Amino acid sequence: EDQVTQSPEALRLQEGESSSLNCSYTVSGLRGLFWYRQDPGKGPEFLFTLYSAGEEKEKERLKATLTKKESFLHITAPKPEDSATYLCAVQNTGNQFYFGTGTSLTVIP
Amino acid sequence: SAVISQKPSRDICQRGTSLTIQCQVDSQVTMMFWYRQQPGQSLTLIATANQGSEATYESGFVIDKFPISRPNLTFSTLTVSNMSPEDSSIYLCSVEWDSRYNEQFFGPGTRLTVL
Repeated sequence: EDQVTQSPEALRLQEGESSSLNCSYTVSGLRGLFWYRQDPGKGPEFLFTLYSAGEEKEKERLKATLTKKESFLHITAPKPEDSATYLCAVQNTGNQFYFGTGTSLTVIP
Repeated sequence: SAVISQKPSRDICQRGTSLTIQCQVDSQVTMMFWYRQQPGQSLTLIATANQGSEATYESGFVIDKFPISRPNLTFSTLTVSNMSPEDSSIYLCSVEWDSRYNEQFFGPGTRLTVL
């Protein structure tokens, strides 16, 4: 069965303390892996799409990488405004989407 | 990317009543999706709504409980029927902006509380 597991569930970082969030997945055939940011009371905001192992994408302090079994979202020198829940999702070749439960990130000034 | 709005943003409803949630997109899109997000849980797809055809429901969701309309390429509604407290959740619509890239963009959500 296709599924997505994110870890850790929650992460507290000091401002400037770099870290990584993990998204492990099993999927019958990967069409895409997606990262979203979700602020409280709002809908998910699209960040990245990764399509194949070895692919990397960057946006400001965020960098997403992909292997055949997992994806990492690296956060470099985070700021308090990076505090949010980060969601990972995969789409299989049957066009079905599976979302993880997210990692709640808190960046302390 | 698409700009998506939802109405209402939140509501408190009585058990046994129904609520219709509207989703408006600023551009024409083929595929629209309705999700439910319960506290501390992942997003769960309720159904896919393509213009001109019946909505396709995921396992565990039925049309009688969650009827969906898709009258044109920029608008859709989801009705939560005969509500119970277990229906309290955030309901989100999303669109597939460009089928080449499979990216979904989400509306702000509707927070529903059923008493």
